[in-house]
Amino acid sequence: DIQMTQSPSSLSASVGDRVTITCRASENIDNSLAWYQHKPGKPPRLLIFFASLFQRGVPSRFRGSGSGTDFTLTIYSLQPEDFATYFCQQSFRTPFTFGGGTKVEIK
Amino acid sequence: QLQLQESGPRLVKPSETLSLTCAVSGDSISSSNYYWDWIRQPPGKELEWIGNIHSTGTTYYKASLKSRVTMSVDASKNQFSLKLSSVTAADTAAYYCARHKADDNRFESWGRGTPVTVSS
Repeated sequence: DIQMTQSPSSLSASVGDRVTITCRASENIDNSLAWYQHKPGKPPRLLIFFASLFQRGVPSRFRGSGSGTDFTLTIYSLQPEDFATYFCQQSFRTPFTFGGGTKVEIK
Repeated sequence: QLQLQESGPRLVKPSETLSLTCAVSGDSISSSNYYWDWIRQPPGKELEWIGNIHSTGTTYYKASLKSRVTMSVDASKNQFSLKLSSVTAADTAAYYCARHKADDNRFESWGRGTPVTVSS
């Protein structure tokens, strides 16, 4: 199975900050990576797919980048509604696997 | 807008079978471009993909769970189901249903998840 290592596991930030989350795959997955946002009690929300493509309705302050094994999700100018847990998922092959998640908390 | 809603017992005894259903609204489960997935997250651990099913009945299961997993689709009720047999405490988790597009494997819609505890 492809292992996905996500870091950091948590971070504290203020509104307006730029936040960067990384995800590393244990082997080359080309650009087959998705990012999700998850808030308690709500369904996970797809933000980015194919490493850098926006899901419809996602604000442009969310940017995905990377290919191969190393990927990044950047949130430019963190907004109050962005405090949540973010996780990555490789869509290269089954079994689909996920990163451990990054909890973004208010500083 | 597509909505998915998981339902089923929240408490299951060890060695018994966990049964969950995902009700689909806002689209037909018979849409040919999609697969319907089950994903779980044990407390404090990362998400784990269990498997998926297409409306044609084609299934893909995670190898380590394959011997205990059965998925099915009920098109008349627009829902799909998961059965996991011989459960142990390690199967305690939040269980999510989701949908992904066949051509890009992105999980574009998810349910809210339902917690299941395995305990006597």
